[in-house]
Amino acid sequence: EADIYQTPRYLVIGTGKKITLECSQTMGHDKMYWYQQDPGMELHLIHYSYGVNSTEKGDLSSESTVSRIRTEHFPLTLESARPSHTSQYLCASSRGTGRPNTIYFGEGSWLTVV
Amino acid sequence: DAKTTQPNSMESNEEEPVHLPCNHSTISGTDYIHWYRQLPSQGPEYVIHGLTSNVNNRMASLAIAEDRKSSTLILHRATLRDAAVYYCILSRSGGYQKVTFGTGTKLQVIP
Repeated sequence: EADIYQTPRYLVIGTGKKITLECSQTMGHDKMYWYQQDPGMELHLIHYSYGVNSTEKGDLSSESTVSRIRTEHFPLTLESARPSHTSQYLCASSRGTGRPNTIYFGEGSWLTVV
Repeated sequence: DAKTTQPNSMESNEEEPVHLPCNHSTISGTDYIHWYRQLPSQGPEYVIHGLTSNVNNRMASLAIAEDRKSSTLILHRATLRDAAVYYCILSRSGGYQKVTFGTGTKLQVIP
């Protein structure tokens, strides 16, 4: 059973608002990821982190930003939400070392910008 | 990153076995083969993984070709709850590998 949690699960906000999607894991994993997925479409990696104070952009360009101040916490922030940001955001984590690199996902945060 | 190729969709009758193929011809010796599935409106969940030998767990079996350039996820008796998108990915532990998912195979289970 994965111990990775995302809040909120569902959020509807107005254009121009600042939002932060929270992600926490209690497994002590070094690696954490954010994926974006539109309904019925492919998962796209938008951010990842190898550990505290380490963040990288993923394959899909995103206007969101992330931070990794604590191992267990990897929040994603949109400074000014737009309708084009409407999507599902999935947080995930995995061990930093050792094999294999199994990834555990949260349940996702559904964001609607109106 | 080594790539995988899967059929876009497959169908199976309920209670029949399902064989989901995956090609990974550029696999390296240190790559593990992972399978995940994503049920509707949920995040992906881990199904099974293997390196060289065939593997069994309570969810499925994984058959790996001798040259490791392909693998097959086997669901022994498909149920309606198995309808999902199945992803096959290669994962190298440690280091700084990004993990990306392809389009996967959408499995439809027919009652």
